[in-house]
Amino acid sequence: GESVGLHLPTLSVQEGDNSIINCAYSNSASDYFIWYKQESGKGPQFIIDIRSNMDKRQGQRVTVLLNKTVKHLSLQIAATQPGDSAVYFCAENRGYSTLTFGKGTMLLVSP
Amino acid sequence: KAGVTQTPRYLIKTRGQQVTLSCSPISGHRSVSWYQQTPGQGLQFLFEYFSETQRNKGNFPGRFSGRQFSNSRSEMNVSTLELGDSALYLCASSLEGTNYEQYFGPGTRLTVT
Repeated sequence: GESVGLHLPTLSVQEGDNSIINCAYSNSASDYFIWYKQESGKGPQFIIDIRSNMDKRQGQRVTVLLNKTVKHLSLQIAATQPGDSAVYFCAENRGYSTLTFGKGTMLLVSP
Repeated sequence: KAGVTQTPRYLIKTRGQQVTLSCSPISGHRSVSWYQQTPGQGLQFLFEYFSETQRNKGNFPGRFSGRQFSNSRSEMNVSTLELGDSALYLCASSLEGTNYEQYFGPGTRLTVT
């Protein structure tokens, strides 16, 4: 498959575990945050988003937490499955109609 | 509803040539953004178009340009290709812009030799 990044931080978990992927952002003016999942050979797939007036948002098996005090974002995946193996990116909108992406974290789920 | 489509999926060009990539957004989406993805730099914003107007541009040289048509389809062009332009070029569409859910296409893999 295609490599979407070299020397990415990697999180290895067992199937059924909960996974937590972290992301730090630097701009306190950022008002919108998104998590994407990218599988090899595919474009990023939208997972969940959160706006700066919230600190938590839940989706199906996923939860995003936003801590504006320390400028930290996390993605929690419940009951991780092998199909969750991918590179996960956080992205922030800094209010200038552009998305700035983090470098990504590779999640490896073993059966 | 059909997703974002990009053509071609793969392209090999020679240094100095130019290339045009095409993106068809999700029906009803008026904003199209382009990104370059490389192993070294990750995902970087190129530009965003809304209703045929470029609203924002990333930090790329003028060799990178784009346009959007009245049906919201978009093209990007890279002139005088350099080896460093080899990358996955991704297009994303959304209803209104980058402050809303953006949906990505599969990308065009450009290789410059």
